[in-house]
Amino acid sequence: EMQLVESGGGLVQPGGSLRLSCAASGFTFRNYAMAWVRQAPGMGLEWVSLISNSGDTTYFAGSVQGRFTISRDNSKNTLYVQMNSLSAEDSAIYYCAKMDGTDGSRDAFDVWGQGTVVTVSS
Amino acid sequence: EIVMTQSPATLSLSPGERATLSCRASQSISNTLAWYQQKPGQAPRLLIYGASTRATGIPARFSGSGSGTEFTLTISSLQSEDFAVYYCQQYKSRPLTFGGGSKVEIK
Repeated sequence: EMQLVESGGGLVQPGGSLRLSCAASGFTFRNYAMAWVRQAPGMGLEWVSLISNSGDTTYFAGSVQGRFTISRDNSKNTLYVQMNSLSAEDSAIYYCAKMDGTDGSRDAFDVWGQGTVVTVSS
Repeated sequence: EIVMTQSPATLSLSPGERATLSCRASQSISNTLAWYQQKPGQAPRLLIYGASTRATGIPARFSGSGSGTEFTLTISSLQSEDFAVYYCQQYKSRPLTFGGGSKVEIK
């Protein structure tokens, strides 16, 4: 069974940083692009970032460009996102999602984790 | 950025009824459209990709149609487990964008 398990969420002060992780199992992690999608409380879904299967190519939503970094360790089957300069607008459930292709260019999100909650507040 | 607009925002129906949800793209996206279902406290689940292809394990009562800018998700006969929020999402171009969601509630 394909599974994604996020970790690393929590309470952080405005301006602070946080790194989220996503452990993958049940599929060949190195063969697929991966992404982060977030959902603010009571709101809809917002794509945050994606990374190609090799890690060579990354893309970001404008709202996080320059503040977030996405990476992956294919030897550990783990996806990461480093989030810096956090503000209240970044408070959300952060979901890790597998994409059904190698570079994320024309792929849906076919497997989702259960999410990890990030709260930015003083 | 491609803007995705879903309607209606809320649909009140009884079990056994047919649900028809709409999604419109601000520009043509061919068939690069997915539908997701989200229940309270749960992660989204992929229902449909390529505008009309059911994902693995999705019941046949769910069907998708459309191309270009107009898309539809149909649930032929609502079951109790189908009452949820449904999102469409385009993957034609970045930034990847979602519609605002349509809630299917019990009447």
